Amino acid sequence: AQKITQTQPGMFVQEKEAVTLDCTYDTSDPSYGLFWYKQPSSGEMIFLIYQGSYDQQNATEGRYSLNFQKARKSANLVISASQLGDSAMYFCAMREDLYNFNKFYFGSGTKLNVKP
Amino acid sequence: DTAVSQTPKYLVTQMGNDKSIKCEQNLGHDTMYWYKQDSKKFLKIMFSYNNKELIINETVPNRFSPKSPDKAHLNLHINSLELGDSAVYFCASSQDGQVLNYGYTFGSGTRLTVV
Repeated sequence: AQKITQTQPGMFVQEKEAVTLDCTYDTSDPSYGLFWYKQPSSGEMIFLIYQGSYDQQNATEGRYSLNFQKARKSANLVISASQLGDSAMYFCAMREDLYNFNKFYFGSGTKLNVKP
Repeated sequence: DTAVSQTPKYLVTQMGNDKSIKCEQNLGHDTMYWYKQDSKKFLKIMFSYNNKELIINETVPNRFSPKSPDKAHLNLHINSLELGDSAVYFCASSQDGQVLNYGYTFGSGTRLTVV
């Protein structure tokens, strides 16, 4: 089974609008971490935001927030007030505590295009 | 100073050749990784080293051999290159493999093209 599923291969959003990128995960480990990374066309991988499975509140980092719904096993990334520079691939990833600790599982990514 | 540096950034080579990609991190991290990103952008782990010890070795052809001379370096050597090896290879490091909220710091990637 896929550990991380991103069902939106591509998305468009108008500049200055908010956008939600979906991510669902699969784990039986009670302790895990969820991450989002951005990969612009230049190719580098940029860490955006982290959410721990025991965190009570949704993580926020500037214009990025993570909508964490534990029972649904979803960790959607919300980007508010989209900017042209947000156009990139976005990857959701998970790290489990008990199993395969040093391994990150990545989703297949969502390509976001921000339109002026 | 670049935190995780990979060289070369681009590598074009013929089938059958042997090549190496080097990775160095100056973050003092304990764990280093190699990931392969295919043409569909899917990222798959290949190897992980913690303090020079191999801890993850996924199902990778044995033409791929990682080498970690010290905890700041993790090199990837590929023998007898094949067309299917064409991909972007990312090196990454993390501060402590036993701490859940430490994410990866990635290198800028090496785009390998086998012709």
